[in-house]
Amino acid sequence: TQLLEQSPQFLSIQEGENLTVYCNSSSVFSSLQWYRQEPGEGPVLLVTVVTGGEVKKLKRLTFQFGDARKDSSLHITAAQPGDTGLYLCAGEPSSASKIIFGSGTRLSIRP
Amino acid sequence: GAVVSQHPSWVICKSGTSVKIECRSLDFQATTMFWYRQFPKQSLMLMATSNEGSKATYEQGVEKDKFLINHASLTLSTLTVTSAHPEDSSFYICSSIRGSDGYTFGSGTRLTVV
Repeated sequence: TQLLEQSPQFLSIQEGENLTVYCNSSSVFSSLQWYRQEPGEGPVLLVTVVTGGEVKKLKRLTFQFGDARKDSSLHITAAQPGDTGLYLCAGEPSSASKIIFGSGTRLSIRP
Repeated sequence: GAVVSQHPSWVICKSGTSVKIECRSLDFQATTMFWYRQFPKQSLMLMATSNEGSKATYEQGVEKDKFLINHASLTLSTLTVTSAHPEDSSFYICSSIRGSDGYTFGSGTRLTVV
């Protein structure tokens, strides 16, 4: 069973601060996605990374896929209250066409 | 981008009854759909992979006789929670894959069993 552990589970910071969320596994994934989910809604895709060491930027968000394709990180610069939400990483195992979600990080940005 | 529509968005049912949730791909044909369950304050847990024209593949620990999945067409998969109990109350989400759009998710169904 592939497991994706996210840390931290919860994070509450002041507007303007930077933060990093980590997604770790002992398994290799062919791709890894990051999603953001609002209460009562389905997750919305932020980014997909497929190459070991890949870095993608989406405005103030920077995503990195580990060289061994077992881990990933999400870095947010100058966090804003609108960034508040549940952030989920999800990996697609090399052996199956499905995605397994990480444990989630609940982010709260205080104005 | 690809759109997956889920219905109903919320449902309340009595304990012991069955509830059907629909997941439709609106602008593409989905040979595979995925069903997830999400309890409050938790992440999404994959329940099963629904395959058009064949039996669903269930994840370990998910009762296939309780969570019936039917994928009779290329645009519709249904999840029926049979003999629902309060512990089945959860947020159920479907998903599918469409080419370069990747995985796309429905808006979820909030099931409350009373």
